[in-house]
Amino acid sequence: ELKVEQNPLFLSMQEGKNYTIYCNYSTTSDRLYWYRQDPGKSLESLFVLLSNGAVKQEGRLMASLDTKARLSTLHITAAVHDLSATYFCAVNYGGSQGNLIFGKGTKLSVKP
Amino acid sequence: DTGVSQDPRHKITKRGQNVTFRCDPISEHNRLYWYRQTLGQGPEFLTYFQNEAQLEKSRLLSDRFSAERPKGSFSTLEIQRTEQGDSAMYLCASSSGQGQYFGAGTRLSVL
Repeated sequence: ELKVEQNPLFLSMQEGKNYTIYCNYSTTSDRLYWYRQDPGKSLESLFVLLSNGAVKQEGRLMASLDTKARLSTLHITAAVHDLSATYFCAVNYGGSQGNLIFGKGTKLSVKP
Repeated sequence: DTGVSQDPRHKITKRGQNVTFRCDPISEHNRLYWYRQTLGQGPEFLTYFQNEAQLEKSRLLSDRFSAERPKGSFSTLEIQRTEQGDSAMYLCASSSGQGQYFGAGTRLSVL
């Protein structure tokens, strides 16, 4: 059974600080996704990581993938309040077209 | 707006009633997925379609749940004889192969 674990589940940061969210998954998967969810809203796609060593950056967020370690990281640089949200990682089950298995999410709160 | 559309956004019903939700995917996407999300959890897979064919169903999809995509375009998810445990956000996503794009969801409250 494919399992996806995120840590930490809750993260309170001060503006301007850096931090990393970790995502481990239990079996081989050929792609990994990061989504953002604001309270009461749907999921916004942030990154799709397709291969070992893939790194993608958008603004203050950078995601990387190590398929050998079955680990992805989401690094936050110089956090700002607007980044406060819940961040989910997910992997495909049963191939690249299969359903997604999500982690429990990391609730990020950035305080001034 | 050409994103994934879901209707209604909110549904309040009494236990034992039937409810139906609709999802309109992005028009060129042939795959459509349904997920359920409860408070504080990540979305959990329910079922998915490729065109009009329902290819997989999760064990979470009890016999009270049924999903259709009759013409390979929009999809409906029906829950019969609702229970309080069905209260959740029901999310629809569509894909053409490069990631899944989610709708705003239908929040169901069963009283």
